Amino acid sequence: DAGVTQSPTHLIKTRGQQVTLRCSPKSGHDTVSWYQQALGQGPQFIFQYYEEEERQRGNFPDRFSGHQFPNYSSELNVNALLLGDSALYLCASSPRGRAGELFFGEGSRLTVL
Amino acid sequence: DAKTTQPPSMDCAEGRAANLPCNHSTISGNEYVYWYRQIHSQGPQYIIHGLKNNETNEMASLIITEDRKSSTLILPHATLRDTAVYYCIVSRGSGGSNYKLTFGKGTLLTVNP
Repeated sequence: DAGVTQSPTHLIKTRGQQVTLRCSPKSGHDTVSWYQQALGQGPQFIFQYYEEEERQRGNFPDRFSGHQFPNYSSELNVNALLLGDSALYLCASSPRGRAGELFFGEGSRLTVL
Repeated sequence: DAKTTQPPSMDCAEGRAANLPCNHSTISGNEYVYWYRQIHSQGPQYIIHGLKNNETNEMASLIITEDRKSSTLILPHATLRDTAVYYCIVSRGSGGSNYKLTFGKGTLLTVNP
């Protein structure tokens, strides 16, 4: 049984560009959350998707947007990249009714130059 | 969500019990205590959670004080592979699909041979 898979694992962009990160949740999970983790910090909540809708959002600007597809997979889009967006982006899925039991992927390491 | 306080770092000898403390003095009656860990360069891993009773699973035990203002995660026989950052998180609810977890900086546990 595959866990949470994310792609790409590493990518480099320049300021002002746009990026799309992808996530496939663990089988049987229907809720997907995205987190940003800067070096030396704990993960920071970006948003959560359930039933193809954004259900909760953290303190991130509108440049961060997402989508959840009918098969529960999800995308994170970041527009107008800034140097400060350089971070590890983590996707987590959780089973229905157990939103606190997050299963995380290995993350996508984004470097903005 | 209630704020948590954890020591920034701890050491433990291999084979001994590791006891990781967490203070959450402002916890509300409907808030649960969650523990996650993050091994270097990996995504966080769910360990255990509880409301007010002590909990045990194959990974660890969670001891919550009677007033619920603090808790301790116990790894009964620490191994070198348990070296990681451990996060204590307080969040409302255990069921449902519509809430977030807020990570702090956690405790870096180093298990020494």
